[in-house]
Amino acid sequence: DTEVTQTPKHLVMGMTNKKSLKCEQHMGHRAMYWYKQKAKKPPELMFVYSYEKLSINESVPSRFSPECPNSSLLNLHLHALQPEDSALYLCASSQGSRGREKLFFGSGTQLSVL
Amino acid sequence: AQTVTQSQPEMSVQEAETVTLSCTYDTSENNYYLFWYKQPPSRQMILVIRQEAYKQQNATENRFSVNFQKAAKSFSLKISDSQLGDTAMYFCALLTGKLIFGQGTTLQVKP
Repeated sequence: DTEVTQTPKHLVMGMTNKKSLKCEQHMGHRAMYWYKQKAKKPPELMFVYSYEKLSINESVPSRFSPECPNSSLLNLHLHALQPEDSALYLCASSQGSRGREKLFFGSGTQLSVL
Repeated sequence: AQTVTQSQPEMSVQEAETVTLSCTYDTSENNYYLFWYKQPPSRQMILVIRQEAYKQQNATENRFSVNFQKAAKSFSLKISDSQLGDTAMYFCALLTGKLIFGQGTTLQVKP
């Protein structure tokens, strides 16, 4: 199994809603990542988890709250989002986070905030 | 600071021909990795090819090959025998602990 699975594929939410994005991998990878990507732009790193601990937070607003319940699962909790947060949210994983391993990406969640 | 620059926002090529996508980067690290990722309209990010900076030999994956010039900090991607399925946005990326992407090149393969 060389897949990173993200659910849901599409999400529409209002600015007062609370929702969660889910990411799962069963490759035994110990590093997991959240990226945000606007249309026609490169992905921007949001968070990195290494061995289930948050190791990088790229100054992301607190309305985005990551969680890593176990080594296979990564969540992104969303609350009080703004319309400018509408984007494709990509999850990725790698064997480690020492800067030598290639990243495997999921197919993303397309988020629309109304 | 680490940067990745792709100077060609859009390119097109006829089916079966060869095209080269350019990428330059900057880093003070000696040990790093370079990648080309492909993102088709489905928006799935797909790894095309990977190059380790300490290896002089250029990486090759079937129709895809790179020209890695370490001193010039250049990392171009050559696609041979272009196919319609190669139509996508291509991102050059530098890995030194964090994966940093260039702005991308949209490639259109024409029949």
